[in-house]
Amino acid sequence: DTEVTQTPKHLVMGMTNKKSLKCEQHMGHRAMYWYKQKAKKPPELMFVYSYEKLSINESVPSRFSPECPNSSLLNLHLHALQPEDSALYLCASGTPGGWEQYFGPGTRLTVT
Amino acid sequence: AQSVTQPDIHITVSEGASLELRCNYSYGATPYLFWYVQSPGQGLQLLLKYFSGDTLVQGIKGFEAEFKRSQSSFNLRKPSVHWSDAAEYFCAVVSLTGANNLFFGTGTRLTVIP
Repeated sequence: DTEVTQTPKHLVMGMTNKKSLKCEQHMGHRAMYWYKQKAKKPPELMFVYSYEKLSINESVPSRFSPECPNSSLLNLHLHALQPEDSALYLCASGTPGGWEQYFGPGTRLTVT
Repeated sequence: AQSVTQPDIHITVSEGASLELRCNYSYGATPYLFWYVQSPGQGLQLLLKYFSGDTLVQGIKGFEAEFKRSQSSFNLRKPSVHWSDAAEYFCAVVSLTGANNLFFGTGTRLTVIP
């Protein structure tokens, strides 16, 4: 299995809602990543988990809370988001050196 | 600090024509370089990578790239473009210091006309 899957594909949420994005991979990768991508921009790194431990938090606001329950799963918990948080959220997995990363299809998030 | 620059924001080519997308890097040592492609609303797909060795690397979908240290470049090429190649193309470099993260260029949007 060479896929990274993400659910849901689309999510619309209000600023007071709590929701979660999910990511799964079965390639045996021990590093997993969350990126945020605004329209017509490159992906921006948010979080890195290496061996199920958070290794990088790129100064992301606390309204985004990552979780890595096991080596195959990565969640992003969302709470009290702002409209400017609307974006494509991409999950990736790879080797803990980050040399190759394999991306999921993304979740299109709209905050109203 | 490491970085990649993609000078062309948007390129238009005719179907069947050749393609070259430019990427320049700034890095002190031998960089680890990648090209990714992103179709609208989709995730990124790895086209090819360069770590070391042969400077001409072959990728998927008929793409190739050449690493030129003297020019600090890693340009992506395809001899004959298909309409399905229309997408956004990102060059990326891995930082080998600290967290070993991917740094992406700003992307080049490819339009293919019939």
